[in-house]
Amino acid sequence: SQTIHQWPATLVQPVGSPLSLECTVEGTSNPNLYWYRQAAGRGLQLLFYSVGIGQISSEVPQNLSASRPQDRQFILSSKKLLLSDSGFYLCAWSVSDTQYFGPGTRLTVL
Amino acid sequence: AQSVTQPDIHITVSEGASLELRCNYSYGATPYLFWYVQSPGQGLQLLLKYFSGDTLVQGIKGFEAEFKRSQSSFNLRKPSVHWSDAAEYFCAVGAGYNQGGKLIFGQGTELSVKP
Repeated sequence: SQTIHQWPATLVQPVGSPLSLECTVEGTSNPNLYWYRQAAGRGLQLLFYSVGIGQISSEVPQNLSASRPQDRQFILSSKKLLLSDSGFYLCAWSVSDTQYFGPGTRLTVL
Repeated sequence: AQSVTQPDIHITVSEGASLELRCNYSYGATPYLFWYVQSPGQGLQLLLKYFSGDTLVQGIKGFEAEFKRSQSSFNLRKPSVHWSDAAEYFCAVGAGYNQGGKLIFGQGTELSVKP
């Protein structure tokens, strides 16, 4: 069966520091991959999606970037974090139009 | 453009009572529709989905949803709510062909359950 992992689960970072969040999927090949953010008390905002290795589509211009170095690995990065980057970050994968979500990473920028 | 509206931001029901969460969508063709549930601090779990066929869809945890094309709705129902159903519920519609499998989410409905 397929599983999706995200780490770290929780992260507290100072403003201006770099960020790297990792997402990996097991048990499937060539999935579409997605990064979402949930700000406190708000809905889901799609940040990036990828349909293949090295293929990244950005949904919202911002302080973040994404990369897909391997088929089942999706990384969310920032060179300098802002206070507004705080939130709950969710990775998801899909095959055949259904998305399945990871457990999320809680990021607090101080 | 596709959109999803969940009119109720917060709903409170008594344990054992029936539940209906509303979802309206805007989409030009036959939509792919989904309901997800999110417990605090956790990821989203798929409850059910509709792609085609029978308009009444059964999901996990005793939930069902009915697709009504004439009303552009996909409401989620449960006949008897349990305290463990307290969570946030999201309705979503597929963004369409050649959109990388993207989903358009509603803003969510928070469900509270009274003992």
